[in-house]
Amino acid sequence: GEDVEQSLFLSVREGDSSVINCTYTDSSSTYLYWYKQEPGAGLQLLTYIFSNMDMKQDQRLTVLLNKKDKHLSLRIADTQTGDSAIYFCAEENAGNMLTFGGGTRLMVKP
Amino acid sequence: DTGVSQDPRHKITKRGQNVTFRCDPISEHNRLYWYRQTLGQGPEFLTYFQNEAQLEKSRLLSDRFSAERPKGSFSTLEIQRTEQGDSAMYLCASSLVPSGGNEQFFGPGTRLTVL
Repeated sequence: GEDVEQSLFLSVREGDSSVINCTYTDSSSTYLYWYKQEPGAGLQLLTYIFSNMDMKQDQRLTVLLNKKDKHLSLRIADTQTGDSAIYFCAEENAGNMLTFGGGTRLMVKP
Repeated sequence: DTGVSQDPRHKITKRGQNVTFRCDPISEHNRLYWYRQTLGQGPEFLTYFQNEAQLEKSRLLSDRFSAERPKGSFSTLEIQRTEQGDSAMYLCASSLVPSGGNEQFFGPGTRLTVL
């Protein structure tokens, strides 16, 4: 079956880099996604990576994919207080449905 | 450019009542998804449509749940005889396939509280 795991919590200081990690089990995943959720809001798509890529960079965001270890990470450079939120990784299966991890709560301290 | 909208944003109901939620996807998107999110958890897939056809349903979608997308545009999700365990955020997402990636764009959700 499919299972996506994330650590629950990450705390960083403003200006530092944040690295949020995710492991998944479905080796047939075609795309992997990162979403951000702020309190009381829906999910905002941040970025995604195709499974045949190792890295994708988009402004302050860097996604690294280790397909062998089924490990995905999201690095946020120069983290700001506005980045405080819950971050979800998700894998897309053959049926185009997303399986989400439990989310990592990022707290940014001034 | 309007995103995905959902109505209502909040619904409080008594156990045993029926409720219906509506989702309006991004206008040119052909796929529409429903997810459920309980407190402290990630969203869980319920069902999805391509145009008006319902292509997949999760085991989570009991007989009390029904979803429709009659004209391939907006969708409704109905829960009959609500139970306290149905309390959750119901999220709708839409996407356009085929595209580079099946990016799903989410609405703000409908928060259901069953008393």
